[in-house]
Amino acid sequence: GAVVSQHPSRVICKSGTSVKIECRSLDFQATTMFWYRQFPKQSLMLMATSNEGSKATYEQGVEKDKFLINHASLTLSTLTVTSAHPEDSSFYICSARDAGGGYEQYFGPGTRLTVT
Amino acid sequence: QQPVQSPQAVILREGEDAVINCSSSKALYSVHWYRQKHGEAPVFLMILLKGGEQMRHEKISASFNEKKQQSSLYLTASQLSYSGTYFCGTDSGGSNYKLTFGKGTLLTVNP
Repeated sequence: GAVVSQHPSRVICKSGTSVKIECRSLDFQATTMFWYRQFPKQSLMLMATSNEGSKATYEQGVEKDKFLINHASLTLSTLTVTSAHPEDSSFYICSARDAGGGYEQYFGPGTRLTVT
Repeated sequence: QQPVQSPQAVILREGEDAVINCSSSKALYSVHWYRQKHGEAPVFLMILLKGGEQMRHEKISASFNEKKQQSSLYLTASQLSYSGTYFCGTDSGGSNYKLTFGKGTLLTVNP
């Protein structure tokens, strides 16, 4: 149980274009999902907290107009990187909390974004 | 505020034990431990709650000292599969249960 999927696993896009990343909880409902960014050999940096049916809460320094988050259902959250630039290249990982479970977060497999 | 993990890296031979520490300057409600292998997502190991008991998963156990805001992860009789980067994530009790992760401890287990 507690499986989280992400799509796509890898994406290469040109500078200036937008990319959408999907995060799904497959066998549980997630009222809260989290989006992280991880640079090589570094820690997980929380970008935003996404609650179903409401606006996302962004961490300090994260541009909400650039990283659009939508949590339209209890099993799906999306992150759209708008007008992507090479410095946005990173590993993006989502996690989800089981609405009917405990406090732990379950992570998706991550999306490797490369902006050329 | 980011918790501090120590050591940054450790190399073991199969069968040896290791301890990874995580400390915070803020009062904590819970501490979460994850293991991440290269290029993969973090995998949940265990959670320690304020007022809770020491947890154990097979040969991995952890403790949480609430007064000192510290947690330790104990790996006993390490196996090759234990290799990876271990992260602690701390929760100071906000309504969204968001975690702040340490920089990680790279554990390498050699045959």
